[in-house]
Amino acid sequence: NAGVTQTPKFRILKIGQSMTLQCTQDMNHNYMYWYRQDPGMGLKLIYYSVGAGITDKGEVPNGYNVSRSTTEDFPLRLELAAPSQTSVYFCASSYLRGGIYSNQPQHFGDGTRLSIL
Amino acid sequence: KNEVEQSPQNLTAQEGEFITINCSYSVGISALHWLQQHPGGGIVSLFMLSSGKKKHGRLIATINIQEKHSSLHITASHPRDSAVYICAVSKETSGSRLTFGEGTQLTVNP
Repeated sequence: NAGVTQTPKFRILKIGQSMTLQCTQDMNHNYMYWYRQDPGMGLKLIYYSVGAGITDKGEVPNGYNVSRSTTEDFPLRLELAAPSQTSVYFCASSYLRGGIYSNQPQHFGDGTRLSIL
Repeated sequence: KNEVEQSPQNLTAQEGEFITINCSYSVGISALHWLQQHPGGGIVSLFMLSSGKKKHGRLIATINIQEKHSSLHITASHPRDSAVYICAVSKETSGSRLTFGEGTQLTVNP
């Protein structure tokens, strides 16, 4: 099993460009998450999904969009890149059963380091 | 004030030392997580606990729900333990979503 796979690992964008960060998992997890990690700060939740076709905003959703058409894939889209979006982005997944309050550990991808110049 | 606070921010130890990293939180939680971020950037889950104590190899995690405090201990530390250790909580009001501390950078010297 590959677990959670993120592509690309590194990317440099110009201000105003668009791109999609890819995330796929092969563990049949129902929950998926996108986080950003800025230097000296804790990870912040951008968007999350509780299953195919269902997404919701996290703490810092502005400037991003997501979709979840399949259980496996959860891409993150930046429409108009801004310098403030320079960060390391992590995708994660988990499997919850027995209702939304049955916690399970999250599995993380290796991250995408994005610079916007 | 952050809802999850870790201390210390940075910790340097000699190989073999006993290490403690602390995490305090100010909200009601359903679970607390300890994560390890490798120097290459990858993040792995070490523990998830809602009461008591868990042990895995040389790592021990404890939680005191009444005091809203958790500790991560590393016994007989080794240079390969050098990493960022992150505390995160699942808030009672947020389901599976995590709120993270800022992390503790641990360096273990040979």
